[in-house]
Amino acid sequence: GAGVSQSPRYKVAKRGQDVALRCDPISGHVSLFWYQQALGQGPEFLTYFQNEAQLDKSGLPSDRFFAERPEGSVSTLKIQRTQQEDSAVYLCASSIGLAETDTQYFGPGTRLTVL
Amino acid sequence: AQSVTQLGSHVSVSEGALVLLRCNYSSSVPPYLFWYVQYPNQGLQLLLKYTSAATLVKGINGFEAEFKKSETSFHLTKPSAHMSDAAEYFCAVSFSGGYNKLIFGAGTRLAVHP
Repeated sequence: GAGVSQSPRYKVAKRGQDVALRCDPISGHVSLFWYQQALGQGPEFLTYFQNEAQLDKSGLPSDRFFAERPEGSVSTLKIQRTQQEDSAVYLCASSIGLAETDTQYFGPGTRLTVL
Repeated sequence: AQSVTQLGSHVSVSEGALVLLRCNYSSSVPPYLFWYVQYPNQGLQLLLKYTSAATLVKGINGFEAEFKKSETSFHLTKPSAHMSDAAEYFCAVSFSGGYNKLIFGAGTRLAVHP
């Protein structure tokens, strides 16, 4: 595709429900990132994939958060037993290679609201 | 530890006036610095980046930023604001060995009035 896509764009969950957020990166991009953006804040790093390998998950807030990228392309961020504090926009980004200076291309995000 | 501070959560300028958005960073290793813009309901778009080449970096839409190591700053400027520049602007830092994960500032919302 032309850019990074994410689905759904909006998700409303009741507290305690599980949710799954999907990211389709730019084709051929090796690196994939997830960020969490709370209202009025800058994005905060959650996790990083290099192809299918999850090399950094230091930003995941709790063990309720789980991410995967099994075939090195599409990625899913799963949140179990959602809590109100999980309400945020979840952003996915991809970059072509491994360099720290590679441009990250961001998707439009999934806005999660937990009631 | 690396961090980014953006001074001023809201900046308002007149159309045609100079835009100056401030960014200071803290890093124990040489940083790479980025400015992103976010329009409503859209993803972040890269404006420009500093990658240890020229300290004055020119980006899209007439924006530029200057890396000043002595001041640990990377302020974003544009000589003449357009109405279409109204958006949220984020400064971010990455660093060697950090997998290119970005550490963002809290953002500055730019308003442009006629």
